[in-house]
Amino acid sequence: QQQVKQSPQSLIVQKGGIPIINCAYENTAFDYFPWYQQFPGKGPALLIAIRPDVSEKKEGRFTISFNKSAKQFSLHIMDSQPGDSATYFCAAITQRGADGLTFGKGTHLIIQP
Amino acid sequence: DTGVSQDPRHKITKRGQNVTFRCDPISEHNRLYWYRQTLGQGPEFLTYFQNEAQLEKSRLLSDRFSAERPKGSFSTLEIQRTEQGDSAMYLCASSPDRGNNQPQHFGDGTRLSIL
Repeated sequence: QQQVKQSPQSLIVQKGGIPIINCAYENTAFDYFPWYQQFPGKGPALLIAIRPDVSEKKEGRFTISFNKSAKQFSLHIMDSQPGDSATYFCAAITQRGADGLTFGKGTHLIIQP
Repeated sequence: DTGVSQDPRHKITKRGQNVTFRCDPISEHNRLYWYRQTLGQGPEFLTYFQNEAQLEKSRLLSDRFSAERPKGSFSTLEIQRTEQGDSAMYLCASSPDRGNNQPQHFGDGTRLSIL
């Protein structure tokens, strides 16, 4: 059972555009929702995270929108740059934390110059 | 400031051999996690340590896998009698113990290839 569904699988955007990546979850015990960026050969790097009592969070060019009733959240990247080309993962974890992060399958993002 | 360190970065071994990976978490991070990532997939949780205590193990962690964190600092993950299906990236993450849901910081992983 896939507990975090991520879409799209791949995305191509022109430089300066706003790629949007969507995630939906099923487990209502999830309490913390981070986004990670991963480059080839590297580990995932934390970008931004949100808790369900907040509907939006912005850090630099990255914004998370969160809809608790719909059990959905999304990542927006403003003024995208070729250097943002990477694989992006949404994730979720329960308050207990001991069962680790549950990741989506990832979105391969390409920003064209 | 050093991040999570993993060693080796790459390991190639023959099927049936034993392998051991090491993870050094960020200093003073009490929580340590191991994950496995296969090509084109997100990381999957394997096991969790709070200090030296292993508090959670995923169903993915078969009895050929064992993990330790003897002094609550570095951790090791051993795979015995490796199989082709063990080929993956093994990732370690750590987080501070300052309440629930602190951000997890990942190392760059150990890529295991089974011949």
